[in-house]
Amino acid sequence: TQLLEQSPQFLSIQEGENLTVYCNSSSVFSSLQWYRQEPGEGPVLLVTVVTGGEVKKLKRLTFQFGDARKDSSLHITAAQPGDTGLYLCAGEVRDGGTSYGKLTFGQGTILTVHP
Amino acid sequence: AAGVIQSPRHLIKEKRETATLKCYPIPRHDTVYWYQQGPGQDPQFLISFYEKMQSDKGSIPDRFSAQQFSDYHSELNMSSLELGDSALYFCASGDANTGELFFGEGSRLTVL
Repeated sequence: TQLLEQSPQFLSIQEGENLTVYCNSSSVFSSLQWYRQEPGEGPVLLVTVVTGGEVKKLKRLTFQFGDARKDSSLHITAAQPGDTGLYLCAGEVRDGGTSYGKLTFGQGTILTVHP
Repeated sequence: AAGVIQSPRHLIKEKRETATLKCYPIPRHDTVYWYQQGPGQDPQFLISFYEKMQSDKGSIPDRFSAQQFSDYHSELNMSSLELGDSALYFCASGDANTGELFFGEGSRLTVL
């Protein structure tokens, strides 16, 4: 059973379109991080959200953390071919400090933006 | 800025052999984590260290062990390799205050 359900798993769109990736869980997370990973490379941190209801913007990317800290979304406006890649959400649960950094990843969303 | 350094980037081993992966965290980061990512799968947490002490353990096989040394670099030792151990192994380092992780580029292990 996947603790973090990420959807959709595959997304193929045309340049200029908007898209949203969702990350859902029944668990409450201390923080949730979004990564982008290129083939054969390590995940690169895009953003960390900590507070319920928090919204962070990174150029054309908007990240939102649900009020209950169980879900998050990544919205990309006017997607470009350079946005193509694997996007991963990862949740962190801190249980008194011993589990810091023990991230649980979603399955990932493979995004392809066609010119 | 310095990033997490992993070596080797690629490693090919035979079944039942032993492999050692090395990780050099970002300077002044106090935590190191090891993750395993199989083909088409999301990264799975293996083990972590905080200030050179093991802090948490995930789905790490008994055949695997890891340690963090006085200079903060870490090594993941894998023995009696199996075909299913073929994967990308990532090391990440982080700052306990921010909770953010920074991943290395990974070591690709292929077991034949």
